[in-house]
Amino acid sequence: GQSLEQPSEVTAVEGAIVQINCTYQTSGFYGLSWYQQHDGGAPTFLSYNALDGLEETGRFSSFLSRSDSYGYLLLQELQMKDSASYFCAVSPRGANNLFFGTGTRLTVIP
Amino acid sequence: DGGITQSPKYLFRKEGQNVTLSCEQNLNHDAMYWYRQDPGQGLRLIYYSQIVNDFQKGDIAEGYSVSREKKESFPLTVTSAQKNPTAFYLCASSRRPGQGAEAFFGQGTRLTVV
Repeated sequence: GQSLEQPSEVTAVEGAIVQINCTYQTSGFYGLSWYQQHDGGAPTFLSYNALDGLEETGRFSSFLSRSDSYGYLLLQELQMKDSASYFCAVSPRGANNLFFGTGTRLTVIP
Repeated sequence: DGGITQSPKYLFRKEGQNVTLSCEQNLNHDAMYWYRQDPGQGLRLIYYSQIVNDFQKGDIAEGYSVSREKKESFPLTVTSAQKNPTAFYLCASSRRPGQGAEAFFGQGTRLTVV
């Protein structure tokens, strides 16, 4: 089986930088994805790491280290609208599905 | 516009009834998924399908059934065997894993047992 663990809640100040971690146990996967979900809404895709290293997409960056079984999402210049839940996800090799982490609820305060 | 559509948005079910949630996509994606989300919780996989006429159980398939007769459609039936069906149900589609990363989600169906 697989597991993806994330902190349940994170609070950060508007304009600051926040890092949301994802540690995983899985035998092998194609890559690590990140999704954002506002309350009552659908998850939307943010970022994807197929290889180790940092991927940057505007204010969002994502990092993967397969050797450390670890990844993170970095949000810069936080805005109030960034308050949402964030999920990491993997597509395990062999299972060919999309498995989500436990989710982190980010609250941005003024 | 391409996308994925779930219906209905809200659904009420009486005890002992089966209900079917619709999911349609026009993105030409091979893979489709059903997830259940309980308040404040993550997404748990119910069923997934990689190609037409084939589907696999996820982590919480008991009390649910699916079909994949067309590439565009992946309906989910919540049967009376599901003892606690009240939840938010999300359908998603993507290219096959290994061919691309992004999954697209529908707006969800909120099911309530009355």
